[in-house]
Amino acid sequence: AQKITQTQPGMFVQEKEAVTLDCTYDTSDQSYGLFWYKQPSSGEMIFLIYQGSYDEQNATEGRYSLNFQKARKSANLVISASQLGDSAMYFCAMRENTGNQFYFGTGTSLTVIP
Amino acid sequence: KAGVTQTPRYLIKTRGQQVTLSCSPISGHRSVSWYQQTPGQGLQFLFEYFSETQRNKGNFPGRFSGRQFSNSRSEMNVSTLELGDSALYLCASSSRGQGRNGYTFGSGTRLTVV
Repeated sequence: AQKITQTQPGMFVQEKEAVTLDCTYDTSDQSYGLFWYKQPSSGEMIFLIYQGSYDEQNATEGRYSLNFQKARKSANLVISASQLGDSAMYFCAMRENTGNQFYFGTGTSLTVIP
Repeated sequence: KAGVTQTPRYLIKTRGQQVTLSCSPISGHRSVSWYQQTPGQGLQFLFEYFSETQRNKGNFPGRFSGRQFSNSRSEMNVSTLELGDSALYLCASSSRGQGRNGYTFGSGTRLTVV
């Protein structure tokens, strides 16, 4: 079974509007971390936000927030006030406490329309 | 502080050749992990090193190998290159290998096998 599932291959959003990128995960570990990365065409993976499995509050980092629903095993990324520079691939990833690797989803290509 | 440096940025090799990629982590980071990114398979974990020891290895053939030096710099080697090895190879460094701290990716090495 896939550890990370991103069901939206591509998304469009109007500039200045908010957008939600979906991510569900699968793990039997009690302790794990969830990450979102942005990958522009240059290739570098840019860290956006982190949510620990024991964190009770949803993580926020500037315009990024993570809607963490543990029972549903979902960790959706919300980008508020979209900017043209937000156009990129976005990857959801998980790292289990018992392992030493990231599991990545297939990514969502976000295009911000002026 | 300087980020994760991967060299070279671009590489073109012929089938059957071997290649060595280099990753210099952020100063003080002792964990380096490698990922292969292809359009078909997405991001896949290759291996992780911590203090010169390989801690985990992904599901790749023995043609893929790596090592880490005492200064934490890491190299990965691919022998007998195949067309399917064409990919973006990313490395990430971490201070501890756990939690949100220090998972910083480099810009990658784009390998093309012809």
